[in-house]
Amino acid sequence: AQSVTQPDIHITVSEGASLELRCNYSYGATPYLFWYVQSPGQGLQLLLKYFSGDTLVQGIKGFEAEFKRSQSSFNLRKPSVHWSDAAEYFCAVESVDGNKLVFGAGTILRVKS
Amino acid sequence: EPEVTQTPSHQVTQMGQEVILRCVPISNHLYFYWYRQILGQKVEFLVSFYNNEISEKSEIFDDQFSVERPDGSNFTLKIRSTKLEDSAMYFCASRTWAPGYSPLHFGNGTRLTVT
Repeated sequence: AQSVTQPDIHITVSEGASLELRCNYSYGATPYLFWYVQSPGQGLQLLLKYFSGDTLVQGIKGFEAEFKRSQSSFNLRKPSVHWSDAAEYFCAVESVDGNKLVFGAGTILRVKS
Repeated sequence: EPEVTQTPSHQVTQMGQEVILRCVPISNHLYFYWYRQILGQKVEFLVSFYNNEISEKSEIFDDQFSVERPDGSNFTLKIRSTKLEDSAMYFCASRTWAPGYSPLHFGNGTRLTVT
């Protein structure tokens, strides 16, 4: 069965600094990959998705992620973090023949001024 | 931008009571889902629904749970006899096309507290 690992439970960065959130997946075929963000008291908002094609995908709010098949990774990046980016970030994988998303445990991002 | 709406935002119920969580998916979406997130834990899949029937369910989704699309707009999750361990945030989600061609859009969730 597929699984997703987000090795960092908490990350703290300074406002204006760059950010990278790690995500590794386990799945035999090429998965469909997603990053969602959850602000306190809010639902899950889609940041970006990878289905096929260019392995560097752009998302909303200035985020991007790179699919690396050799490393089974789909790390999320942002060149300059804003205080409003403080939230919990979830990586998720969906199999082509599946009918559900499998989520990682999430990474809580704190932004210090 | 159209969105998935869930009501209520917070529901408190006593153990053993029935609850119905309501969702209005995005209007042209065809696939519907319920997920839940127990405090401090992962977001977990409960059930998917397409063409007026369950297409997949997890082992969490036992006989105490049911889903229904009673009309053209609502999608509900019913828990017949709530237990303390059902306390969680429940998310509804929907998508336009078959899996792999469109992402899930989630609602803001209903926080269920069972006392």
